[in-house]
Amino acid sequence: GAVVSQHPSWVICKSGTSVKIECRSLDFQATTMFWYRQFPKQSLMLMATSNEGSKATYEQGVEKDKFLINHASLTLSTLTVTSAHPEDSSFYICSARRGGGGETQYFGPGTRLLVL
Amino acid sequence: GENVEQHPSTLSVQEGDSAVIKCTYSDSASNYFPWYKQELGKRPQLIIDIRSNVGEKKDQRIAVTLNKTAKHFSLHITETQPEDSAVYFCAAFLSGNTPLVFGKGTRLSVIA
Repeated sequence: GAVVSQHPSWVICKSGTSVKIECRSLDFQATTMFWYRQFPKQSLMLMATSNEGSKATYEQGVEKDKFLINHASLTLSTLTVTSAHPEDSSFYICSARRGGGGETQYFGPGTRLLVL
Repeated sequence: GENVEQHPSTLSVQEGDSAVIKCTYSDSASNYFPWYKQELGKRPQLIIDIRSNVGEKKDQRIAVTLNKTAKHFSLHITETQPEDSAVYFCAAFLSGNTPLVFGKGTRLSVIA
């Protein structure tokens, strides 16, 4: 199998605080991880592509200084939402791809963020 | 870049009937087409995929067809059951480290 975990599963925070979300591939090495945001009843919106040991590639319109991504190892990527505001409230989902050229993306269970 | 269109956006069927969801892609170099099922509040789960060297693939009640010439692929669910109710996403993959490009999703409701 290919298991991807995310932590925390949900978080409530005050406006202005920073929130870190972890994404781990549990039984495989993930050279590439992807971060998505999903608003209610909408599709998956790609925020950034993260490659181990290099800077993330952000999609147009996504602020790299607000959404900090660190892919420090082959099994861990983190997304930090800095100075969160209510409009950042969303469902954040990571996805990982095996090393070795596989195409399939395996998704984490998601993190529901609510900023008050 | 690649663009994936998905139709319909919502689909209601009676239990036991078939459901068909269609997607088109723009880049003829795309070579891998997965389908994901996402239940409310949960992660997208891969349910079936097809590569460009194959025209059809079946797994029990689920099948996917690919027409490379027309650049479209479809998901077919037969004998639908209430637990098939979910949002289904199609996607296309081009190459290398590029991410899957997703369609906007189809909300399937199976009415008992």
